[in-house]
Amino acid sequence: QSALTQPASVSGSPGQSITISCTGTSSDIGAYNYVSWYQQHPGTAPKLIIYNVSDRPSGVSNRFSGSKSGNTASLIISGLRAEDEAEYHCSSFTASITLVFGGGTKLTVL
Amino acid sequence: EVQLLESGGGLVQPGGSLRLSCGASGFTFKTYHMSWVRQAPGKGLEWVSCITDDGGKTYYADSVKGRFTLSRDNSKNTLSLEMNSLRPEDTAVYFCARGHSGTFLNFDYWGQGILLTVSS
Repeated sequence: QSALTQPASVSGSPGQSITISCTGTSSDIGAYNYVSWYQQHPGTAPKLIIYNVSDRPSGVSNRFSGSKSGNTASLIISGLRAEDEAEYHCSSFTASITLVFGGGTKLTVL
Repeated sequence: EVQLLESGGGLVQPGGSLRLSCGASGFTFKTYHMSWVRQAPGKGLEWVSCITDDGGKTYYADSVKGRFTLSRDNSKNTLSLEMNSLRPEDTAVYFCARGHSGTFLNFDYWGQGILLTVSS
């Protein structure tokens, strides 16, 4: 199972919106609405911010949203803040009854 | 408060074996699917394995299938990952994670992680 494809890095200024893409195949992202996104600050464990493509766990800011089209999922962060600077990881359920993650995207808030 | 605490990491030689453990508290352990996720130094996350709430089914990534065995003891709120035939590419921080909303499709609580280094 190959890893999902994410851009290595994205950047944006405070207050702006950014989008992080996550591309898979018809056997994972394209087949199921089970895409999740995690935020990870350096030296800490990942935090679930989006599940089932676009659902937010309780307590997660509505500045984070998710979507999917075909084999590509997207994480949108609006109203960028300094504390959003982190690594973002996507994951998807697969037809092999496994999970696959992306390589991670480093978000820099300028 | 939900807590997951990994233990058992360290340095092991290629071909060696090691067992990682994860102690859970603050929730009804026996009602949650549990997983291990690892992260090699400077790399992304990699799902390793999952076990159902009753321990009846386990699933593994192709990269560890046949070498790693996941088990749980619901009477002791403990998750264990037995790792054999270890390779340098198994070097990573290993996270214990709780499945969210009765599934193993995503993880709402994670341990702090434990480092495994496979090197001679």
